[in-house]
Amino acid sequence: GAVVSQHPSWVICKSGTSVKIECRSLDFQATTMFWYRQFPKQSLMLMATSNEGSKATYEQGVEKDKFLINHASLTLSTLTVTSAHPEDSSFYICSARDFQGRGIFDEQFFGPGTRLTVL
Amino acid sequence: AQSVTQLDSQVPVFEEAPVELRCNYSSSVSVYLFWYVQYPNQGLQLLLKYLSGSTLVESINGFEAEFNKSQTSFHLRKPSVHISDTAEYFCAVSGGSNYKLTFGKGTLLTVNP
Repeated sequence: GAVVSQHPSWVICKSGTSVKIECRSLDFQATTMFWYRQFPKQSLMLMATSNEGSKATYEQGVEKDKFLINHASLTLSTLTVTSAHPEDSSFYICSARDFQGRGIFDEQFFGPGTRLTVL
Repeated sequence: AQSVTQLDSQVPVFEEAPVELRCNYSSSVSVYLFWYVQYPNQGLQLLLKYLSGSTLVESINGFEAEFNKSQTSFHLRKPSVHISDTAEYFCAVSGGSNYKLTFGKGTLLTVNP
């Protein structure tokens, strides 16, 4: 199957700093990428939908000014956590749709996730 | 709006025993259903999916799931599990044209020797 990478795989930062997480589709073009957040022993919660060349669509309750998403190319989307605080500590996962023009039949592939710890 | 309920957070079984991981969903539109597996320290991998056609879908490693519209369920089954099946399993639903996935809380399957 297609591969999605995330970088970094883990990051520790001080409260108040900003952290950027990259999501790349390595061998396919992804017009749409999704960003999820996963708390321990809980489900993945969709944060936003990122479409190449346009503004991201955020889910209700997600602060767009805190979680900046950029999808500048067909293979790269970035999530920047601005002014991070300890409550932002979580596991962030991205997924990318392998665009084949088949609608729901286009498969989503997931990255391995990024563990963010804010001290 | 749509939601997914995975009734069991943990399912311990012995090797070669059968297993069923339960998943119920609610949705106001036609649904597409998925099971994903997450091995330790890895990303989610698609196990199987129901998009249309036959309500019984199978994976290459022996898992199967049946879409039951009347019971709004999509339970995952395997007749004989291996230790390597130990992982977290997530049921997910997608509806409409936005391709967004709504996940259940996951079921940790632990296969013991």
